[in-house]
Amino acid sequence: QITLKESGPTLVRPTQTLTLTCSFSGFSLSATGLGGVGVGWFRQPPGKALQWLALIYWDDDKRYNPSLQSSLTITKDTSKNQVVLTMTNMDPADTATYFCAHRVARRRFDPWGQGILVTVSS
Amino acid sequence: DIVMTQSPLSLPVTPGEPASISCRSSQSLLHSDGFNYLEWYLQKPGQSPQLLIYLGSRRAAGVPDRFSGSVSGTDFTLKISRLEADDVGVYYCMQGLQTPFTFGPGTKVDIK
Repeated sequence: QITLKESGPTLVRPTQTLTLTCSFSGFSLSATGLGGVGVGWFRQPPGKALQWLALIYWDDDKRYNPSLQSSLTITKDTSKNQVVLTMTNMDPADTATYFCAHRVARRRFDPWGQGILVTVSS
Repeated sequence: DIVMTQSPLSLPVTPGEPASISCRSSQSLLHSDGFNYLEWYLQKPGQSPQLLIYLGSRRAAGVPDRFSGSVSGTDFTLKISRLEADDVGVYYCMQGLQTPFTFGPGTKVDIK
């Protein structure tokens, strides 16, 4: 069974850096693992649609949403089964629920974590 | 970026009746492997999204067969043959062909 869970601060101040961790089980992101496997990050402002942020594959191929690329960094720690997303210079407009999800064979995100609501406020 | 549109944005449905949601992409989602990289997700109230359909028409594991997906060029359709109360929520289509992955605005399905 594959599970993912997001963790991190639920309140950050404007201009601060947000660091979110996706801890997962049931699959591996090591280079010797199953090909096409990845972990993606998404966000959803309250009452709004989903937005894809970043993705990292088992071979350390990293993809970013160009609209946010300058502020995003995604990394993986295969020994801990974790993927970390950092977002710099946080703004109140970045208030959202952040989700991570398992990318399967480059073809689908399944399953998703429960999400974490991050509020940006002074 | 590939733009995804959906219609309708709101869909009240009587339980037991069929429902249909349309999604259109601004360009082809056809991969060189012959598949359309279009995914459908359902976000039930207060929950995270769950995969329903991938590659345009393949049902995800555990998804009831009352859900089906179809493809016609850049037009994609999700059909629910008989709506159940547990099917309420917001349905999103997402293109997975190229980054940035992009979502439609969502279709809110509720009980009439």
